[in-house]
Amino acid sequence: AQSVTQPDIHITVSEGASLELRCNYSYGATPYLFWYVQSPGQGLQLLLKYFSGDTLVQGIKGFEAEFKRSQSSFNLRKPSVHWSDAAEYFCAVPSPGGYQKVTFGTGTKLQVIP
Amino acid sequence: EAQVTQNPRYLITVTGKKLTVTCSQNMNHEYMSWYRQDPGLGLRQIYYSMNVEVTDKGDVPEGYKVSRKEKRNFPLILESPSPNQTSLYFCASSLRGVDTGELFFGEGSRLTVL
Repeated sequence: AQSVTQPDIHITVSEGASLELRCNYSYGATPYLFWYVQSPGQGLQLLLKYFSGDTLVQGIKGFEAEFKRSQSSFNLRKPSVHWSDAAEYFCAVPSPGGYQKVTFGTGTKLQVIP
Repeated sequence: EAQVTQNPRYLITVTGKKLTVTCSQNMNHEYMSWYRQDPGLGLRQIYYSMNVEVTDKGDVPEGYKVSRKEKRNFPLILESPSPNQTSLYFCASSLRGVDTGELFFGEGSRLTVL
């Protein structure tokens, strides 16, 4: 079964600083990969997704992520963090073979300090 | 407005008292799913449905039931709730399925079982 690991439970960055959130997956083939964001008291919203092709994908709110097959990673990045980016971020991988399950990572909570 | 609506948003109940959390989407999506979110565990899939009258178990289905009699509705039923079902629950939908499509989430239902 596939698994998704987000090694950082909590990250604090200063407003204006760059951000990288890590996501590693275990999977037999090239997976589809997603990043979702959960603002306080809200449901999850899709930030970006990777299906195939260009390994650098752009998302909403100025986020991007890079798929690296050799490292089994799909890290999320943003060049300059805004206070409104404080939220919890989840990496997710759907099951292969048409099974309609999704495995989510345990999440990384981002704190932004002035 | 396209949305996934869950009710109730907050509920406190007692062990053994049957309850239903409703979920409705207005996007004509085929796929619907329920997740529970617990600290340190991320989101775990309870049940999903690919279409009317088609449901299947996710990773943590014990103690839950679902039904899909209409395309827009996917209620989650706890026949005899127990304290270990205290959690934050999310309903989500997708146009076709999770392997290629974005999941749209409701705002969540926080359930406490005493």
